[in-house]
Amino acid sequence: NAGVTQTPKFQVLKTGQSMTLQCAQDMNHNSMYWYRQDPGMGLRLIYYSASEGTTDKGEVPNGYNVSRLNKREFSLRLESAAPSQTSVYFCASRNPAGPSNEKLFFGSGTQLSVL
Amino acid sequence: QQPVQSPQAVILREGEDAVINCSSSKALYSVHWYRQKHGEAPVFLMILLKGGEQKGHEKISASFNEKKQQSSLYLTASQLSYSGTYFCGSQAPGNQFYFGTGTSLTVIP
Repeated sequence: NAGVTQTPKFQVLKTGQSMTLQCAQDMNHNSMYWYRQDPGMGLRLIYYSASEGTTDKGEVPNGYNVSRLNKREFSLRLESAAPSQTSVYFCASRNPAGPSNEKLFFGSGTQLSVL
Repeated sequence: QQPVQSPQAVILREGEDAVINCSSSKALYSVHWYRQKHGEAPVFLMILLKGGEQKGHEKISASFNEKKQQSSLYLTASQLSYSGTYFCGSQAPGNQFYFGTGTSLTVIP
């Protein structure tokens, strides 16, 4: 019963470096999300995927790309990291068509620092 | 898109009550409430699906006024374990899901 697995937990990058945050869920959920959380800013939606094969921009997509590789996996890529992307990143999944408008399940988060 | 919460922060003594409000400029079809402890991921508290619906979870309950596009979270007889940041959340068309601005709640002995 892993739920949502997110890797890595911590990462330090230099400005201009690239990296991919990985997220996988084993609950057969259709929808997956990437959020970033900055102090005092709450959780802001970066990208989401309503179902396998689709991805869409959220509130703050600039500087990021995503891939919904299959139903289980949804990755977030920073092509050229900037200090403004220093944040805590959360992946989440849910089944919005579920009987009770299903809740979000979260990964444990990735603390990313860009120097 | 982000719902607005008030207050931004509140400090309570154990046993006191608190109300957290969530307001949206767009229609709310359902409202979720989550609590996040420092350094952890948010944890689900409850979903409200219908206008005017109230749900409860131990001493934490919530109401949802679909017409006013508002929801309120009520914490009664607060305990130290209630400390954390509370977020409301709402689904938008296309399965987007947005969280509110957050309310930091601190319960002191």
